[in-house]
Amino acid sequence: EVQLVESGGGLVQPGGSLKLSCAASGFTFSDSSMHWVRRTSGKGLEWIARVKSKAHNYATDYPASVRGRFTISRDDSKNTAYLQMNSLTTEDTAVYYCIKGWAGCGGDCYDYWGQGILVTVSS
Amino acid sequence: EIVLTQSPGTLSLSPGERATLSCRASQSLSIYLAWYQQKPGQAPRLLIYEASSRAPGIPARFSGSGSGTDFTLTISSLEPEDSAVYYCQQRISWPQAFGQGTKVEIK
Repeated sequence: EVQLVESGGGLVQPGGSLKLSCAASGFTFSDSSMHWVRRTSGKGLEWIARVKSKAHNYATDYPASVRGRFTISRDDSKNTAYLQMNSLTTEDTAVYYCIKGWAGCGGDCYDYWGQGILVTVSS
Repeated sequence: EIVLTQSPGTLSLSPGERATLSCRASQSLSIYLAWYQQKPGQAPRLLIYEASSRAPGIPARFSGSGSGTDFTLTISSLEPEDSAVYYCQQRISWPQAFGQGTKVEIK
């Protein structure tokens, strides 16, 4: 059974940092692209980061809204993906989902999602 | 950036009725559009990819169609468990984007 379990969320002050982790099991993690998507009340679902597999040189991508502030990474030896979030603002308040990219569409649609973890940015 | 606009915002139908959901893109997506279903308290589930291919394990009452800028998700005969929010997602260009969602309510 595929499982994606996020951790590391919580309350952080504006300007602060937080690092999310995603522990994966039940599939060949090292072969899969991994993504982070967030859901906010204002913007709905927003894709925020992707890291490809070793076969694709662990290439990363970000939208402009988080580029330079967020960093996605992975440790294939631990079957874990990470999202380092810096310079957080209230607009980053959201539920963050760790997601597995599905090979059936080149890794860019998502067949398994974590349950999500809440990040609240507030003073 | 590509913008996806879903309509209607809410659809209220009875069990057994046909639901038709629309997703319109600001630029051509070819066929690179997916649909997801999200029920309250659950993570989204992939229903359709490449506009018309059903993901593994998805019931045949769910179908997708379209190409270019106009896409449709059809639920042929609604079941009570189909009550959810449905999102479309494009993957042809970066950043990937989602529509704002269509809520399907079962009367």
